[in-house]
Amino acid sequence: DAGVIQSPRHEVTEMGQEVTLRCKPISGHDYLFWYRQTMMRGLELLIYFNNNVPIDDSGMPEDRFSAKMPNASFSTLKIQPSEPRDSAVYFCASSVHPTNEQYFGPGTRLTVT
Amino acid sequence: AQKITQTQPGMFVQEKEAVTLDCTYDTSDQSYGLFWYKQPSSGEMIFLIYQGSYDEQNATEGRYSLNFQKARKSANLVISASQLGDSAMYFCAMRYSGGGADGLTFGKGTHLIIQP
Repeated sequence: DAGVIQSPRHEVTEMGQEVTLRCKPISGHDYLFWYRQTMMRGLELLIYFNNNVPIDDSGMPEDRFSAKMPNASFSTLKIQPSEPRDSAVYFCASSVHPTNEQYFGPGTRLTVT
Repeated sequence: AQKITQTQPGMFVQEKEAVTLDCTYDTSDQSYGLFWYKQPSSGEMIFLIYQGSYDEQNATEGRYSLNFQKARKSANLVISASQLGDSAMYFCAMRYSGGGADGLTFGKGTHLIIQP
């Protein structure tokens, strides 16, 4: 079975550019989560969706960040405009139910210069 | 607010020895779940084990077991017969229910190094 798929795996961009990260959850999983990992702040929840509906976006750091889930098999996290402090590894995860384990994608390593 | 504390930033253990990674949590909720994840140097997050707050028995998955002490709010991970491939970062995480907050709160992690 295919796991959570994320693209791109690596992204290098210049400050001020728009960045779009993509995620395909495991089929049949109703919950999708976006996390960010940095050395300073560790792993943080940014936003999560249930049945394509955003439930909690309190972790989204600024209005520069936005996330969508147009259908059950695709989600995007967009940063516009990007800044060097956005450099991090962004993980997407999915689960069948919130009480179940979350399966993580391989992550997207974002570098903003 | 929920909080996870992992007090061991790093550990060195001899191969084949048992390892205990500490995790304490703080929550006022009665219903919650505790998870452990492994992150090898390649960067992926690998689910290891889960314990629900109402589970009466400690969770076990192969060489992994979770020493759950609810009154002390601790959920230590025990790895039996450690192997070189166990070298990685280990994260304790908690999911809490209430108000739609179903994401995970992670601890800072423990860097485990298994020595031959």
